[in-house]
Order: sequence, then structure tokens, then C-alpha cells
Amino acid sequence: QVHLEQSGAEVKKTGASAEVSCKAAGFTFSAYFMHWVRQAPGQGLEWMGVINARTGRTTYAQKFQDSITMTTDTSTKTIYLQLRTLKSADTAMYYCARSTGTAGRFDYWGQGTLVTVSS
Amino acid sequence: SYVLTQAPSVSVAPGQTARITCGGDNIGSKGVHWYQQRPGLAPVLVVNDDYERPSGISERFSGSNSGNTATLTITRVEGGDEADYYCQVWSDKSSDHMIWVFGGGTKLTVL
Repeated sequence: QVHLEQSGAEVKKTGASAEVSCKAAGFTFSAYFMHWVRQAPGQGLEWMGVINARTGRTTYAQKFQDSITMTTDTSTKTIYLQLRTLKSADTAMYYCARSTGTAGRFDYWGQGTLVTVSS
Repeated sequence: SYVLTQAPSVSVAPGQTARITCGGDNIGSKGVHWYQQRPGLAPVLVVNDDYERPSGISERFSGSNSGNTATLTITRVEGGDEADYYCQVWSDKSSDHMIWVFGGGTKLTVL
């Protein structure tokens, strides 16, 4: 059974960094692309970027080019999202999601990780 | 950058048909996916590639896509359908790099 388990909620100070993880189970991890999607409180979904789970190749949305890093660990079937130089506007729920190919649908999602940034 | 436009809200009585639209430049040439997000939960794929229904999704959900508008149709609406609905496309235009785009979302209210 496909399952994406994300790490727990985090509270960070402005200017700090945060790392969110997403552990995959129930499918061939290296055969898929994995995405991160942000949702600010009361707002819509915002695509952040994608990582090839096997090769680690990434493509980031232009808005996040300078503030995030996505990595993959095939040995533990886990992807990571590093958020740098956090601002209050980065307070949001962060979701990981799986797609079949870079153009494919997001067929499974993690439960979300809330990152709260305050001064 | 490529923009998807959704109405902020749609209201419908139980048992009626809800139509949620997603506008975009020549969106008919792209594959559109639709997600349902109930309060406090992660999004769930309800229609992919314009009209295909994932396993486990009710046949009351259907989709179409032509010209500049894609549409998610929910027939015999139930209270449990009350949620936010998002359309999504993949854009590979050179000016957009290779990106995924979500519409702003439509809140479906069941009266």
C-alpha cells in the first residue's frame, strides 16, 4: 500500500533553516518523481519543485530557486526539503506528493508538515 | 508564466450538479488534473488527464477540457463533496521553464 509519511511540525525563528522529510513505502521509490507543494494558511496550493527520486535531479519553481534544496536518499526511500533563511511568509503546510514522470498526475500525497516561522 | 483561473466559490443544493471551471490560455492542449481538498486534509486526486477517474473515485466526478476552459463536473452532489477543488497543469513553455501550475481553487459549498 502506497504511503508517504512526513516529519512532524516545526517552529522556527526568522532567519533559521528547516528540513522536512517524506518517507515512502509500498512502491518502487526510484521509479517516481517526488514533488513538494506549499499551502499558506487559508491559501491555495503552490508547487515548489520536483526531484527524480533515483537520480536526485531537481527542478525548482523560479520563486523558490534561491531558498530551497531538495534531496533524496534511496537507501531509506526518503526525500528532504530544506528551507533556508525562513521568513514569516514561509509559515505554511508543506506536502510531498508522488507523480509518474515529471508531467504526471500527483496520485499520492503525504499528510503535510506545518512549519511555523516567528520572530 | 502560465495562469489558471478558477472562480473562488460555487454553491449547489444537494442532489444537483456542480460545475467547477478552470480557465487558461489554450488549456485544451494540456492535460488537466483535479484535486479535492477537504478541511484539514491533504489533497486527493479526483480526475486526471482531463477526464480519467482514479480508482476509488466516485463516478459522480467527471471532467472535460476544450479551448480555454476545463471543467470538473460533480453530479448528485452530497454534503461530503463540500471541499476546495484545484485544477493543475504541467507547463513546458520555454518562458516558464518546466513547471507545475495550480489554479487558485474553488470552494464548493453544499447548501
